[in-house]
Order: sequence, then structure tokens, then C-alpha cells
Amino acid sequence: QKEVEQDPGPLSVPEGAIVSLNCTYSNSAFQYFMWYRQYSRKGPELLMYTYSSGNKEDGRFTAQVDKSSKYISLFIRDSQPSDSATYLCAARRAAGNKLTFGGGTRVLVKP
Amino acid sequence: ETGVTQTPRHLVMGMTNKKSLKCEQHLGHNAMYWYKQSAKKPLELMFVYSLEERVENNSVPSRFSPECPNSSHLFLHLHTLQPEDSALYLCASSLEGGGADTQYFGPGTRLTVL
Repeated sequence: QKEVEQDPGPLSVPEGAIVSLNCTYSNSAFQYFMWYRQYSRKGPELLMYTYSSGNKEDGRFTAQVDKSSKYISLFIRDSQPSDSATYLCAARRAAGNKLTFGGGTRVLVKP
Repeated sequence: ETGVTQTPRHLVMGMTNKKSLKCEQHLGHNAMYWYKQSAKKPLELMFVYSLEERVENNSVPSRFSPECPNSSHLFLHLHTLQPEDSALYLCASSLEGGGADTQYFGPGTRLTVL
């Protein structure tokens, strides 16, 4: 079983819709959770990070972590064609700097 | 230059060649990382350097040899690679203070092994 699982997509939505992305993880030692966005032919770019359970909002982006169900979510409101990219979730233990990534979900926002 | 830079951006090499990938970070970070990103597979951590010391080697074959001469530069020396080593190689850096330590990635080197 992979430590972090993510549906590869693609997830296709019309412009203006809410994009809902999620990951599940198996390691209960994970405490920090990140979302990265990766455009084609580019490196991953950090979007959001959260610690333990709870919500975090930044502009059009909301990240949620539910540690009881080992479930991580990212919501993108008012999606734009420029949001079309691959979104990677990642998790890390409290100590150390090793990130464990999901496989990424490809998102297409159609104008 | 800002952030994390990588050169070359694209590399094609034969199985008997020797080449090197270079990474440079301009963020004042003290930890640097090499990742491999293959099609339809999660990012795989290869090596971690902290203050120029290798602190993690994730069972990477010896045909990949990292070098970290200082906290701003990281190299990945390649020799006698296999076609299955073709992938995007990503470098990242972080400040490494625990807590919400976040990694910043370079654009990657697209490697093709013939």
C-alpha cells in the first residue's frame, strides 16, 4: 500500500466551478501536509501547507486535513484555465524533512 | 537568478556516457534534495543533504552519485545509466528548521537515456 494515495485524474471542470481534490494516507505519524501545483515542464510549486487537522484558507484555495480518517483535501474556488495543472499532495512527519508524495491529480479547467 | 535553478534543462545521453546535473539555490537554505519524477509514479526522494552532509540515500543505485560542495550547490553525477532512468530529475531546497519546513523546487532536468 502506498503511503499517500491520489486519484490521477484527469479531472475536468468548467471555468468558475469548484475543484475538489483529495488524498488519503496510511501513516498516522504524518503531521504536516502540503499541496503543490506543477505545470507542464515545470517543477512543483508550493501552494498550501497545514499542520495536523483543520482548515486553512488562502485566497481561492482551501486545504483541509482530517486526521481521524487520514484524508487531505484541496478546494479551488472560481477555477480559472490557469489553474490547469497537476496537483500533488505530500505529507511529512513532525521530525525530519522527508516528504512523501502522492502521484498527483491532473486538473483541466475549460474556458 | 532567484529561487532554485537547474542545468541543463534537457539532457540526452547514451548508456555509456558520464554526465552531471547541477542545482543551485539562492534562498539561503541549508538542506538540498534530489528527486526523480517518472511518468505515472509519485515523486521519489533520492538523496538529502543537510549542511553539506548526506543524511539520506533512499537505496539509489550507485550509477547515481551526488555531490554537495557547499550549501548552495548540489550535483548529481550520472554514469552507465539505463533507459529506465529516463525521467525528470528535480532538485529542491529547504531552510530545515523542523516544523513547517517547506521545500522549494527547481524546474527540473528532463533526462533521456538512449
